[in-house]
Amino acid sequence: DAGVIQSPRHEVTEMGQEVTLRCKPISGHDYLFWYRQTMMRGLELLIYFNNNVPIDDSGMPEDRFSAKMPNASFSTLKIQPSEPRDSAVYFCASSLAGEHSYNEQFFGPGTRLTVL
Amino acid sequence: AQKVTQAQTEISVVEKEDVTLDCVYETRDTTYYLFWYKQPPSGELVFLIRRNSFDEQNEISGRYSWNFQKSTSSFNFTITASQVVDSAVYFCALTASGGSYIPTFGRGTSLIVHP
Repeated sequence: DAGVIQSPRHEVTEMGQEVTLRCKPISGHDYLFWYRQTMMRGLELLIYFNNNVPIDDSGMPEDRFSAKMPNASFSTLKIQPSEPRDSAVYFCASSLAGEHSYNEQFFGPGTRLTVL
Repeated sequence: AQKVTQAQTEISVVEKEDVTLDCVYETRDTTYYLFWYKQPPSGELVFLIRRNSFDEQNEISGRYSWNFQKSTSSFNFTITASQVVDSAVYFCALTASGGSYIPTFGRGTSLIVHP
């Protein structure tokens, strides 16, 4: 398997622009997670999906952030409008629920977002 | 509530030294799972190990070993004879039913191995 695929790998945009990050999870995995990583705040869970349904979006910082998972093989995280403080590395991860949903996560390579 | 504390922000060693990365966790659940992930400079987090709360056996994988002690709520990670390629940020994580099995990550420990 190719692993979790994220695009783009790097994104530089100007404040106020819309940014869309994309993720393709590992085939067959039923959980998908979006994380944000910054030096100040570490690794933060933004939202996660189970079988394409958003379960918990309490980590989404504000209404400017939205995420969708239209099918089992694709998810997007959108920021509109973007702000400089959104600059971070955004990771997508997927996992396969075991009997007690304890299985490890597989992370994508991340998207490094810079908002000028 | 669950919490993972990695008190060591950064550790610097010289190649071939042994190094231990500490992880202390908090959870009220009796069934939980602990993980270690490695984030090399390339950026992608890589899974290293999973441990469940009912298995306190220590585990060794090559130069890596893990010491799980429920009595002190710790799950420490030791690298023996460190190498430059071990330089990375290491994250400890916890999942438990009380947290809907969604991982709680520590802040990570940056390990720098000098040649």
